[in-house]
Amino acid sequence: AQSVSQHNHHVILSEAASLELGCNYSYGGTVNLFWYVQYPGQHLQLLLKYFSGDPLVKGIKGFEAEFIKSKFSFNLRKPSVQWSDTAEYFCAVNRDSSASKIIFGSGTRLSIRP
Amino acid sequence: EAQVTQNPRYLITVTGKKLTVTCSQNMNHEYMSWYRQDPGLGLRQIYYSMNVEVTDKGDVPEGYKVSRKEKRNFPLILESPSPNQTSLYFCASSPMGWNEQYFGPGTRLTVT
Repeated sequence: AQSVSQHNHHVILSEAASLELGCNYSYGGTVNLFWYVQYPGQHLQLLLKYFSGDPLVKGIKGFEAEFIKSKFSFNLRKPSVQWSDTAEYFCAVNRDSSASKIIFGSGTRLSIRP
Repeated sequence: EAQVTQNPRYLITVTGKKLTVTCSQNMNHEYMSWYRQDPGLGLRQIYYSMNVEVTDKGDVPEGYKVSRKEKRNFPLILESPSPNQTSLYFCASSPMGWNEQYFGPGTRLTVT
């Protein structure tokens, strides 16, 4: 069965530190990949997505992610985090078919120390 | 304003008492979906709909029903709620496929 793993459950960083959150998926075929963010008390919103093309994807608020097909990974990165990046981050995958379901990871809580 | 609305936002009920959580979107989106969010488990898809009268099961459909009679509405029905359905529920809509989902504010359900 298709699955998504986010191994970091809670990450604590200081402001200006670099960030990398891991995401691995199990499906071997063509996939669409997403990162969503949930700021405290707010709706989930899309950070970035990968459908095809350049495997390095840039999203909002300075985030980027790199799709490495050989590693089944789609890690999220940011060179320098801010206190306002405190949130929960979810990776999601669906098979390359608009008719298929979408699978979310268990989420990574990011806490930034001011 | 483009949005997904859910009602109620908070609900406490008892085991076995049928309930419906409504979801409505004003963006004319094709796709709609229901998720539950539980600590340590992330979001799990319950049901989704690709258009009017077209629905399919997600990962955790047991104990839930949905219907999509109109494009804008996608209610979630719990015919006989049980305590293990205590959770935070999110509705989402997307213009086509899972290109970009717009999430509602969530409904916190407690079943005693």
